[in-house]
Amino acid sequence: QVQLQESGPGLVKPSETLSLTCTVSGGSITNYYWSWIRQSPGKALEWIGYVFYSGATNYNPSLKSRVIISVDTSKSHLSLKLNSVTAADTAVYYCARHVSGYSAFGPWGRGTLVTVSS
Amino acid sequence: DIQLTQSPSFLSASVGDRVTITCRASQGISSHLAWYQQKPGKAPKVLIYAASTLQSGVPSRFSGSGSETEFTLTISSLQPEDFATYHCQQLNSYPLTFGGGTKVEIK
Repeated sequence: QVQLQESGPGLVKPSETLSLTCTVSGGSITNYYWSWIRQSPGKALEWIGYVFYSGATNYNPSLKSRVIISVDTSKSHLSLKLNSVTAADTAVYYCARHVSGYSAFGPWGRGTLVTVSS
Repeated sequence: DIQLTQSPSFLSASVGDRVTITCRASQGISSHLAWYQQKPGKAPKVLIYAASTLQSGVPSRFSGSGSETEFTLTISSLQPEDFATYHCQQLNSYPLTFGGGTKVEIK
């Protein structure tokens, strides 16, 4: 079955750019939406944005000025870049698949913890 | 943005108990709501979508109901593997939002 795996640096310095990759295996990226979601310690899940396999994107307005999500269908992965990070961006970051812009998310990756600290 | 308020935020229950979790939306969202279960260190897993449709493979002791602004997730007879955190998510409009979560612990 489809599996998602997030990867990237676990520690990022304040003001720098957080960069993560989500690798999709066991299935195709084509025809699906792929979202990034994060969970800061003690806080609710927060949807960051999605990329459709065609490259179309939709971002949370609260992060839109700092985020870029892209997809590389040839490599079966999607990427997240979040610039000008602060301690408030410390979170577990997940990627997840959904079949439409308004459908539930699943499967999800296991998540990767990113800490913003000098 | 649509705010989702879950209650309670914490629940202590025993195996065999009937458990009900509520999710209230700040505006009507029809039946565009999903429920997820998350165990420590793991990713969320969808239990219910479209407010009341059970995801394939999810035990029938889980059920969802509600529409517009008030929704409930019910576990008819709590099992040891059900101790986890439960999240609701609205899928009616962007940005998509989640509730604050309900942690279900063993009494």
